[in-house]
Amino acid sequence: EDQVTQSPEALRLQEGESSSLNCSYTVSGLRGLFWYRQDPGKGPEFLFTLYSAGEEKEKERLKATLTKKESFLHITAPKPEDSATYLCAVQRGGYNKLIFGAGTRLAVHP
Amino acid sequence: DGGITQSPKYLFRKEGQNVTLSCEQNLNHDAMYWYRQDPGQGLRLIYYSQIVNDFQKGDIAEGYSVSREKKESFPLTVTSAQKNPTAFYLCASTQGTNYGYTFGSGTRLTVV
Repeated sequence: EDQVTQSPEALRLQEGESSSLNCSYTVSGLRGLFWYRQDPGKGPEFLFTLYSAGEEKEKERLKATLTKKESFLHITAPKPEDSATYLCAVQRGGYNKLIFGAGTRLAVHP
Repeated sequence: DGGITQSPKYLFRKEGQNVTLSCEQNLNHDAMYWYRQDPGQGLRLIYYSQIVNDFQKGDIAEGYSVSREKKESFPLTVTSAQKNPTAFYLCASTQGTNYGYTFGSGTRLTVV
């Protein structure tokens, strides 16, 4: 069965304190792994898509990496505006739908 | 600007009532999706449609119904058969599997 597990459930950081969020997955024939950011009461906002092990993508203070079993979202020198829930999702080959993890709630304090 | 519009933002349902959540997109996307989000859980797929006049059940379709009569619109009806409908409902669309989803801003449904 396809499954996505995100850890930790919640993370509290001081401004400038770098860290990583983890997304472990089991899926038959990964077609793509997606990262989203979600602010309270709003819909998720697309961040990255990764397709193959070894791939990396960056956007401002965020960097996403992918291995055969997991993905990391690295946050470098975070700011309070990076506070949000970060969602990971996988797509199996041949299926046009995503399977989501429960998310990591990130709080960055000044 | 192109995007997905969900309405209403907040909706209250009495026991035994059917309610319909609206989802409209002007992105010219073929595929549209409905997800349900509960605290501490991932988004769970209710229904999806890859083309007009066709849709498929997702993982938790019981108690829900949809229609896809126009490319732009994918309304979701929460029927009285849905035993625990209180949740945050998200509509999404995509132009293709390599592009990720675009989400609406959600509808929060509460049973009163």
